[in-house]
Order: sequence, then C-alpha cells, then structure tokens
Amino acid sequence: DTAVSQTPKYLVTQMGNDKSIKCEQNLGHDTMYWYKQDSKKFLKIMFSYNNKELIINETVPNRFSPKSPDKAHLNLHINSLELGDSAVYFCASSQPSPNTGELFFGEGSRLTVL
Amino acid sequence: GESVGLHLPTLSVQEGDNSIINCAYSNSASDYFIWYKQESGKGPQFIIDIRSNMDKRQGQRVTVLLNKTVKHLSLQIAATQPGDSAVYFCAEEVSGGYNKLIFGAGTRLAVHP
Repeated sequence: DTAVSQTPKYLVTQMGNDKSIKCEQNLGHDTMYWYKQDSKKFLKIMFSYNNKELIINETVPNRFSPKSPDKAHLNLHINSLELGDSAVYFCASSQPSPNTGELFFGEGSRLTVL
Repeated sequence: GESVGLHLPTLSVQEGDNSIINCAYSNSASDYFIWYKQESGKGPQFIIDIRSNMDKRQGQRVTVLLNKTVKHLSLQIAATQPGDSAVYFCAEEVSGGYNKLIFGAGTRLAVHP
C-alpha cells in the first residue's frame, strides 16, 4: 500500500511537448511538494501546497504549473518542454511544522526530453 | 577514502567498519536538520533528525552530530552493512512562514564486502 505514489514512473518525450505528472498520497498529510533532482543528484524544491493552497514557489519557470485538486493530490504540468527539464521529479508530503522535516517521498518520475 | 570533484562525493568503506558522512549547512538561522538516505531508483527516505538545541542524537546504528559553531552536521553509521550503500543527503529546514527543506549535495556511500 504505497504512501506517496507518482505516475508515470518514466516519461520520454520530444522538446516542445506538454506533459503531466500525477501524485497522490494516502497519509492524510496537509502539505505536498514537488522536488527536482538533476543528473548530479542535486535535489531542489520547486513547489509546495498546504491544503490545496500554494505556499512555496521557488522561481520555477512559468512553463511549470502545479495543481492541487484536493489535499491528497498534487499534479505537475509542464508546457513546451526543454532539454534542461530532463530530471527525476519527486513528489513528497508531510504534516505541518513542527514535524515538517519528515518528508515522505514518492519513487520519482524520470523525465527525458529528446 | 573520500573524494570530491565534479561527481558526487563518494565514501568507500569495508563492511563492518564505521562510516562518517559530513555536511556543511549554510543558514545559521536554521534550527532543524535531517538526514535522508536514497537508494538507487527510489525516493529519499528519512533516517534521523536533530534540533539545534541538541548536539547529538542517536538512533539504531546511526548517530547525528551537530556543530552549530561551524555549521557542520555529521552522520555516523556503526557496523556498516551492504544495505547501507546509498546516497545520503543532509537537509536544513529554513524558517519563514512555511518552513521548507533545503537539501545538501549528497554523498554516495559504497560498502565493500
């Protein structure tokens, strides 16, 4: 019974296309995140939502648009994909501070832009 | 030994030895720190955390040490096992409204039999 699940696990697409990654958590957490991990394994926060409200937006290009239909789901839509968008995208969830530190991550969605 | 360069720093240890993974953090106002383990093909997984009012915290086979004076964290793994092979990240929680986690660069731990 997966706690944080993302789909698809792998995504290969051409430059200029639009794609979406979906995330769902069954932990009852209020806060969800998208992180990007590059080829050097560097993990960088992109967005965070708390109970469907955007609370963190880390100067990510406008081509990236997160959407949270309810607090258990956080999707990521990417328009006009570029080569530099190739990375592994991780969804995570947590309870609000003071327990924020423990993020529960999904298994990642590896995006390859050709 | 430990190597730093363009690639992910790697710490190679023999099975059964103790491992020490180091991390420098940037924000002196950070008051909560976490170590994560990421196995190949998986998401990061919480190992242990520590608040800034502590210098040391122990878990099962793991110990985290915090030196606020030099903004340094370390993760010690006792009796390292092959299953400990992974990339390890330290993360600091940055305050300011909604707290967020900033991850360090990561260190690969390679355990050899």
